[in-house]
Amino acid sequence: RKEVEQDPGPFNVPEGATVAFNCTYSNSASQSFFWYRQDCRKEPKLLMSVYSSGNEDGRFTAQLNRASQYISLLIRDSKLSDSATYLCVVNAGNFNKFYFGSGTKLNVKP
Amino acid sequence: ETGVTQTPRHLVMGMTNKKSLKCEQHLGHNAMYWYKQSAKKPLELMFVYNFKEQTENNSVPSRFSPECPNSSHLFLHLHTLQPEDSALYLCASSQEDLAAFSTDTQYFGPGTRLTVL
Repeated sequence: RKEVEQDPGPFNVPEGATVAFNCTYSNSASQSFFWYRQDCRKEPKLLMSVYSSGNEDGRFTAQLNRASQYISLLIRDSKLSDSATYLCVVNAGNFNKFYFGSGTKLNVKP
Repeated sequence: ETGVTQTPRHLVMGMTNKKSLKCEQHLGHNAMYWYKQSAKKPLELMFVYNFKEQTENNSVPSRFSPECPNSSHLFLHLHTLQPEDSALYLCASSQEDLAAFSTDTQYFGPGTRLTVL
């Protein structure tokens, strides 16, 4: 079983739509969770960390559900510039062990 | 952003060549990583260095040889590569908190796009 699993998509949505991605992780001891954004042929960039209480940054909201072992990312009022691949990343609690999902591709269309 | 830099950005090499990739981080971090990202595949961790000491070698073939002379610099020496080694090679750094036994988030360099002919 993969450490981190994501729906690869693509999710094709119109501008202004709300879209949500989920990501499941297998290690219940995981401690840190992140969403990264990766544009085509570029490096991953941190979008936001995911805290137990949930957190929001503008149009982006991240949630953590430890009982069901998944994290989610909600994007409201989608912009064309949100088109990218969103990577779910989990740190298993032991040093330096970051597990990356394969990414969910989002296409926002006019 | 210039937190983590990588050179060269693009590299084309033959299977008999020897080349090196360089990574430098300007964030004061104490851990550095090499990842490989092939087309349509998730990132694959290759090596981890913590305080200049290698702490992870993820079953990487010996034709890839890492070197970490100090906490700010990381190299990946390449020799006798195969065409299937063509990929984006990403360097990342993070700050380890030994007391809290935790790792802060990783920051990535722009990557080196490697093509092996």
